[in-house]
Amino acid sequence: GENVEQHPSTLSVQEGDSAVIKCTYSDSASNYFPWYKQELGKGPQLIIDIRSNVGEKKDQRIAVTLNKTAKHFSLHITETQPEDSAVYFCGGAGAGGTSYGKLTFGQGTILTVHP
Amino acid sequence: DGGITQSPKYLFRKEGQNVTLSCEQNLNHDAMYWYRQDPGQGLRLIYYSQIVNDFQKGDIAEGYSVSREKKESFPLTVTSAQKNPTAFYLCASSTWPPRSGGSTDTQYFGPGTRLTVL
Repeated sequence: GENVEQHPSTLSVQEGDSAVIKCTYSDSASNYFPWYKQELGKGPQLIIDIRSNVGEKKDQRIAVTLNKTAKHFSLHITETQPEDSAVYFCGGAGAGGTSYGKLTFGQGTILTVHP
Repeated sequence: DGGITQSPKYLFRKEGQNVTLSCEQNLNHDAMYWYRQDPGQGLRLIYYSQIVNDFQKGDIAEGYSVSREKKESFPLTVTSAQKNPTAFYLCASSTWPPRSGGSTDTQYFGPGTRLTVL
């Protein structure tokens, strides 16, 4: 099945700096990669996603890039703000066998933005 | 408002007891999922269902059971056979079959239930 690795596990930045979180996946046929933001004690909220037929997607200060050859995708947050502080999870959707229809998640990154 | 609700928010259980966590959605989604979250770990899939009266085991199904009698509801029972049940439990739903051409569509999560075994 799909295996997703996420790095770093913690990330600390100053307000206004950029933050980058990277995930690698194992199933070359995976075709959907979401990013979720989870605040303390709450459920994850989708912030951006990308499908395998696209190399980059942007939504205001957030962008995701996908490198299918290297099997990795990254979340980029520019002009970070204290309210960006949260845990971020990446996911990968396998395309075949027992992985079909299921998301596998990375271990999460705790992002702290210092004012 | 459309969304996913989970209840209760906090649940305490004595060892040896079964407990049932509720998950309801009014998004008209066919697929529903249960995940477990432990500190420092990602979300791990317990069970999922893509149609009423059918469900499949995820990666960590041992000690858990589910039912899917209605499209809107997917309750999870944590049985006494689950060795380490203290965790944060998350329910999610999505359309099924996928409409986007991929193998799954966006999953939307509920607010979670924190289960503590005393």
